[in-house]
Amino acid sequence: GQNIDQPTEMTATEGAIVQINCTYQTSGFNGLFWYQQHAGEAPTFLSYNVLDGLEEKGRFSSFLSRSKGYSYLLLKELQMKDSASYLCAVIKAGGADGLTFGKGTHLIIQP
Amino acid sequence: NAGVMQNPRHLVRRRGQEARLRCSPMKGHSHVYWYRQLPEEGLKFMVYLQKENIIDESGMPKERFSAEFPKEGPSILRIQQVVRGDSAAYFCASSQTGGTYNSPLHFGNGTRLTVT
Repeated sequence: GQNIDQPTEMTATEGAIVQINCTYQTSGFNGLFWYQQHAGEAPTFLSYNVLDGLEEKGRFSSFLSRSKGYSYLLLKELQMKDSASYLCAVIKAGGADGLTFGKGTHLIIQP
Repeated sequence: NAGVMQNPRHLVRRRGQEARLRCSPMKGHSHVYWYRQLPEEGLKFMVYLQKENIIDESGMPKERFSAEFPKEGPSILRIQQVVRGDSAAYFCASSQTGGTYNSPLHFGNGTRLTVT
């Protein structure tokens, strides 16, 4: 089976940096995704990690350590529009059955 | 370049009625996934389909739920004899190739089903 843990809620200040952690236990592993979901909207793809290390994409970066079963999403220069839920998702080896999602971290940005 | 289209956006059904949720994948995508999201819960995988084939339905309840993706037309998620516990947001996603590791899922805006 698969188990994915991430904090339920985080608060950060506009202009600051925030790191959202995700740990996972899975019987097989073939990659980790981060999605952003605004309330009432579709999840949108942010990043994908399959190898250890940091992937940077503009204000967003994602890190993976396969040996530790650990990932984080780093958001820099926070903007009010970054207030959303951030979903960590794992695809297991084989991958035919889609993604297994964590419950998401609700990020609140304060002025 | 239209994204994943789901309809209806909102659906209200009384207990015992049938709910039909439709999903048209992105152009060029032949892989469709259905997920259910309850309030304060993560997205739960239900079923993975390709054209005319169910590849993995391990996340779908054995009774009352069915899904199809015909050769022509949208994918349909069908819930018979709905109960209050079926109230949730149902998201459809599509990808260009299966396995999602090299082809991220693109999600529709979901159908919010309310059972009264």
